[in-house]
Amino acid sequence: EVQLVESGGGVIQPGGSLRLSCAASGFNFNAHTMHWVRQAPGKGLEWVSLITWDGGSTSYADSVRGRVTISRDNTKNSLFLQIDSLTTEDTAFYYCAKDLPGWGGMDVWGQGTTVTVSS
Amino acid sequence: QSALTQPPSASGSPGQSVTISCTGTSSDVGGPYNYVSWYQQHPGKVPKLMIYHVSKRPSGVPDRFSGSRSGNTASLTVSGLQAEDEADYYCGSFAGSNNWVFGEGTKLTVL
Repeated sequence: EVQLVESGGGVIQPGGSLRLSCAASGFNFNAHTMHWVRQAPGKGLEWVSLITWDGGSTSYADSVRGRVTISRDNTKNSLFLQIDSLTTEDTAFYYCAKDLPGWGGMDVWGQGTTVTVSS
Repeated sequence: QSALTQPPSASGSPGQSVTISCTGTSSDVGGPYNYVSWYQQHPGKVPKLMIYHVSKRPSGVPDRFSGSRSGNTASLTVSGLQAEDEADYYCGSFAGSNNWVFGEGTKLTVL
């Protein structure tokens, strides 16, 4: 079964840092571009970042660039998102998602992990 | 990276057809690639890919769902509306330089 499982969310104070993880299984992880997408409470989807299959290329949304680092460990079928200088605007549900080859969009999604930034 | 423009809501009666629009720019939806996708999200659930590459359906998605594009506007049409189609729908598009952008989302109500 193709599966993505996120972890690492929680309640964090403004200005803090967090590292989210996503464990992949059931598919050839090291062959696929991966995304992080977030959804603030009651709001729409917001693309956050992507990393190509080999980690050779990364990109970020303007809203997080400079504060967020995406990375992957293909030996452990794992995806990561480091978020620094957290603000209340980072409060959201964070999903990792697998890219359908050929920039087809996100065809497999994890269940998500909640990040709450609050003092 | 501005969000793509979608109507906040759409509705239709069972059996009818409804079309949801998604308007972007020549840098994303109207760009020189067919990388527009659509997602369905039921309340409290994970988004599901419904359409990719403008008009292709992943395995398992009913053929009542179809996609198209004209210029900077993509559209999702749901034919033969069913109660289970009531959900939020989001478009997404490749925006060049390995960037992606989503639409604002449309709440589809089946009357």
